[in-house]
Amino acid sequence: DSGVTQTPKHLITATGQRVTLRCSPRSGDLSVYWYQQSLDQGLQFLIHYYNGEERAKGNILERFSAQQFPDLHSELNLSSLELGDSALYFCASSPRQTGVGEQYFGPGTRLTVT
Amino acid sequence: GDSVTQMEGPVTLSEEAFLTINCTYTATGYPSLFWYVQYPGEGLQLLLKATKADDKGSNKGFEATYRKETTSFHLEKGSVQVSDSAVYFCALSDKDAGGTSYGKLTFGQGTILTVHP
Repeated sequence: DSGVTQTPKHLITATGQRVTLRCSPRSGDLSVYWYQQSLDQGLQFLIHYYNGEERAKGNILERFSAQQFPDLHSELNLSSLELGDSALYFCASSPRQTGVGEQYFGPGTRLTVT
Repeated sequence: GDSVTQMEGPVTLSEEAFLTINCTYTATGYPSLFWYVQYPGEGLQLLLKATKADDKGSNKGFEATYRKETTSFHLEKGSVQVSDSAVYFCALSDKDAGGTSYGKLTFGQGTILTVHP
């Protein structure tokens, strides 16, 4: 158990809908990262938050957005969903904004868009 | 930009066989290197890490040495077990000359390992 929690574990929704994925980092970790894992794209970095502020963006679509709240939990919002958004979404945390780079991953949320 | 290339899989071995999974990388700065493992239905677990050239990371019988001259970080294990069956990901986190990590991980495509009794 990495100490990173994600909810829900599974999510099934229809095209055009909007969903929110939630992540709680390990106790004391200030950084939260979101990744998307799909068969065709592999593991792709989406976005990084540190202590409530956005620090870096990767291959994140404009339909997707994220936040990190004062209690350090984070939410990833996916809107106008398309079939191609079906994937595993992972959250990871690390103790410092900068350092050696190791990250601890949650169990993931499997999103299925029908 | 940064990239990681892993040997193509899947890899199928018998129990107690020797394992090598090749990994090479391209980075603009001074990266830290990692191996992560993903068991079926689970998230990624950090297996081992190395933060500078010639460092050797090791854990649970797995080893990998950071080779700057060949930009490689190959994963090895002397005797695999059925319980090692999983997907293995090589990853890097680039950092600047001051030793500050950029944060995001760049992953290879993953190598599926299946170990038979």
